[in-house]
Amino acid sequence: GQQLNQSPQSMFIQEGEDVSMNCTSSSIFNTWLWYKQDPGEGPVLLIALYKAGELTSNGRLTAQFGITRKDSFLNISASIPSDVGIYFCAGPPNFGNEKLTFGTGTRLTIIP
Amino acid sequence: DTGVSQDPRHKITKRGQNVTFRCDPISEHNRLYWYRQTLGQGPEFLTYFQNEAQLEKSRLLSDRFSAERPKGSFSTLEIQRTEQGDSAMYLCASSFPTSGTSGTDTQYFGPGTRLTVL
Repeated sequence: GQQLNQSPQSMFIQEGEDVSMNCTSSSIFNTWLWYKQDPGEGPVLLIALYKAGELTSNGRLTAQFGITRKDSFLNISASIPSDVGIYFCAGPPNFGNEKLTFGTGTRLTIIP
Repeated sequence: DTGVSQDPRHKITKRGQNVTFRCDPISEHNRLYWYRQTLGQGPEFLTYFQNEAQLEKSRLLSDRFSAERPKGSFSTLEIQRTEQGDSAMYLCASSFPTSGTSGTDTQYFGPGTRLTVL
């Protein structure tokens, strides 16, 4: 089946640093979603991307839909302690198919 | 609180026992999804409903698993004869169909039910 690979698997940064992570697929996606999951909680949607090349911001978060439609990127600027968590990319495997395929996740840790 | 709710939040059971989880979606959301998440992995799709109709089931959903949404509102997920491999977080999500070209509804997730099978 389709797989979404996320990189890096984990990140250790200091507060205030910028963060970049990406997600790649073996096949084309028509929608890219970025979720954040805190320990013991369900994923929360951060940003949704619907068109190749689209660049969308949500506060300090910026995500891009790759031109090839096989990748997406998430950047976090000036990280703060509440950014800690696991970030997942996700998307529907087929247009109009509502189930989501999730990536492997990027765990973000902020070093004091 | 108008978000997706799940009950119980935690369940510990012995191998071979049956367990049932409940999900209450956001009111007026007619689509409801179940996912399973094991440690260190992203959620994996199990099944989804539109109103009371179960429209798709994953191969992950063995015959020991059954999901229902009898009145198109809350849903239950039952696992019979639990096995240690069933230990995971079971997540529920709901959405409302949106028009337009996106082709994807925004799915709102509940806090999950963490199942531990001893």
